[in-house]
Amino acid sequence: GNSVTQMEGPVTLSEEAFLTINCTYTATGYPSLFWYVQYPGEGLQLLLKATKADDKGSNKGFEATYRKETTSFHLEKGSVQVSDSAVYFCALSGYTGTASKLTFGTGTRLQVTL
Amino acid sequence: DADVTQTPRNRITKTGKRIMLECSQTKGHDRMYWYRQDPGLGLRLIYYSFDVKDINKGEISDGYSVSRQAQAKFSLSLESAIPNQTALYFCATSDSRAYEQYFGPGTRLTVT
Repeated sequence: GNSVTQMEGPVTLSEEAFLTINCTYTATGYPSLFWYVQYPGEGLQLLLKATKADDKGSNKGFEATYRKETTSFHLEKGSVQVSDSAVYFCALSGYTGTASKLTFGTGTRLQVTL
Repeated sequence: DADVTQTPRNRITKTGKRIMLECSQTKGHDRMYWYRQDPGLGLRLIYYSFDVKDINKGEISDGYSVSRQAQAKFSLSLESAIPNQTALYFCATSDSRAYEQYFGPGTRLTVT
């Protein structure tokens, strides 16, 4: 079945540091890949997505590239801010003909300090 | 106003009680989902519905039931709550043309 593996957190960075959160996946077929972000006390929000190999999703300074050869979708940001402190979830959705179900990783907590 | 709303936002209940969590959406999506979030486990799918007449079990449906009262409303019931159902519950929606889902703010449920 489908699965997503994320690096364990928490990840603690100083403001303006470079961020990488690793995500690898196992899936049949050609899944779409997503990063969701959960700010404290809120639900999940879609941060970015990629629907096919070599696509790069980007939003709010975050980027992730769909790497089929390494089955990875690592999240990066060049300069984090305190406001980026949140939990980040990698997810995939495999096409089954009927389903748009998501499989989530366990989440990585990011803490950014001044 | 929020596109996906959940009520209540917080609930404390006792073991054995029946409880219902409600979800409403104004996005016009036909697909709705219920997840639970536990620390270190990510989100796990409880039930999902692709339209009003379609209900499907997710990976952890035991102890839960759902009702799709209308396209915009999807409720989750715990028939007899137990402490290990203490968790954060999220409702989500999507349309049939895309895979991304839109989440409500969550309901924090505590069963004592």
